[in-house]
Amino acid sequence: GQQVMQIPQYQHVQEGEDFTTYCNSSTTLSNIQWYKQRPGGHPVFLIQLVKSGEVKKQKRLTFQFGEAKKNSSLHITATQTTDVGTYFCAGHSGGSNYKLTFGKGTLLTVNP
Amino acid sequence: SAVISQKPSRDICQRGTSLTIQCQVDSQVTMMFWYRQQPGQSLTLIATANQGSEATYESGFVIDKFPISRPNLTFSTLTVSNMSPEDSSIYLCSVKARLAKPNEQFFGPGTRLTVL
Repeated sequence: GQQVMQIPQYQHVQEGEDFTTYCNSSTTLSNIQWYKQRPGGHPVFLIQLVKSGEVKKQKRLTFQFGEAKKNSSLHITATQTTDVGTYFCAGHSGGSNYKLTFGKGTLLTVNP
Repeated sequence: SAVISQKPSRDICQRGTSLTIQCQVDSQVTMMFWYRQQPGQSLTLIATANQGSEATYESGFVIDKFPISRPNLTFSTLTVSNMSPEDSSIYLCSVKARLAKPNEQFFGPGTRLTVL
């Protein structure tokens, strides 16, 4: 079945440093989504990427979808303490079942 | 967006018992899902809850262990049956809202289950 690998598992940074998490799917995706889960909270949708090579920005967050639609990345510029949490990518392979396959997530901690 | 509530928010149960978790959404949704998330781990899809018919289970999950109901468009229940300590986890209800971005899913606050 479809697998979505995500690295790194953990990342600790000093406030102001940049952060990147990477996602790789074993199969070509229809789209990929990114979610953020704060400690003790539930996943919250950040963005969806659909097109090959797509790049989207949300303030300090930049999301990329690879040309082959099998990999993606999330980059945060100048991290802040409010960025703390686990970032999950979730791949959708298409079809009407809307099933998402989640990566293992990257836990980001930020030292003030 | 969709606002989702889950009951109970947490519970501690004895081995061999069953627990039913409720998920209520404030608006009609096209699809409802149940996920499991073990502490510090990723989300694993248990099943898709289908209105008025049997749920669609993922590999490794069966109806006898995780019976699911969805009597209408805004409500679903997940039962964890004959529990063992391995069932200790967070159970999350998720929905795809009718007017949401394509494929965007909203998650409930989760039910934290501990089985002794």
